[in-house]
Amino acid sequence: ETGVTQSPTHLIKTRGQQVTLRCSSQSGHNTVSWYQQALGQGPQFIFQYYREEENGRGNFPPRFSGLQFPNYSSELNVNALELDDSALYLCASSSGDRHSGNTIYFGEGSWLTVV
Amino acid sequence: AQSVTQLDSQVPVFEEAPVELRCNYSSSVSVYLFWYVQYPNQGLQLLLKYLSGSTLVKGINGFEAEFNKSQTSFHLRKPSVHISDTAEYFCALTGGGNKLTFGTGTQLKVEL
Repeated sequence: ETGVTQSPTHLIKTRGQQVTLRCSSQSGHNTVSWYQQALGQGPQFIFQYYREEENGRGNFPPRFSGLQFPNYSSELNVNALELDDSALYLCASSSGDRHSGNTIYFGEGSWLTVV
Repeated sequence: AQSVTQLDSQVPVFEEAPVELRCNYSSSVSVYLFWYVQYPNQGLQLLLKYLSGSTLVKGINGFEAEFNKSQTSFHLRKPSVHISDTAEYFCALTGGGNKLTFGTGTQLKVEL
């Protein structure tokens, strides 16, 4: 149990639709990162939020966007869904915007299937 | 640019045998290194991490890893595996931020 909770756990969407995934970070953590893990691949960094501002982004198009709220929970939004967006989306929480030896905790993920 | 290479996509091993999962990395800056385990239909769990100091790092569930700067490697080892160790193992690094760069994973399959 990492204290990072994600919802929903599974969902199916149609190509072209929009989806919102949610994450509650571990208590006391002010940094949230999102990763996409396609089947058979390692997780790929999407972006990170620190104190409600985007603080780093991976190689993902602008239709991937996010929010972090004052309680440090976060949302990942994906617009104009494509078949290749089908993946496990992982949320990770930590404290501080730079790694200082603190562990990064992952949630169990949201499985998105785009049909 | 940073990258992580896990040389073996699958490693079959018999129960109670030793195992080594290989990880090599590339980075122009000093890095922190990690091993994560992912059980089926679950998220990632940290096994161990190297930040600095002793190059031999001990983690949970009897796993250990050795950081070798000259060979840019961080191989994971366990002297005696159990059926419950069957899972996907990911090597990852960061250059200091919280962004982790992962390898493609190694599926460890422990057989009776």
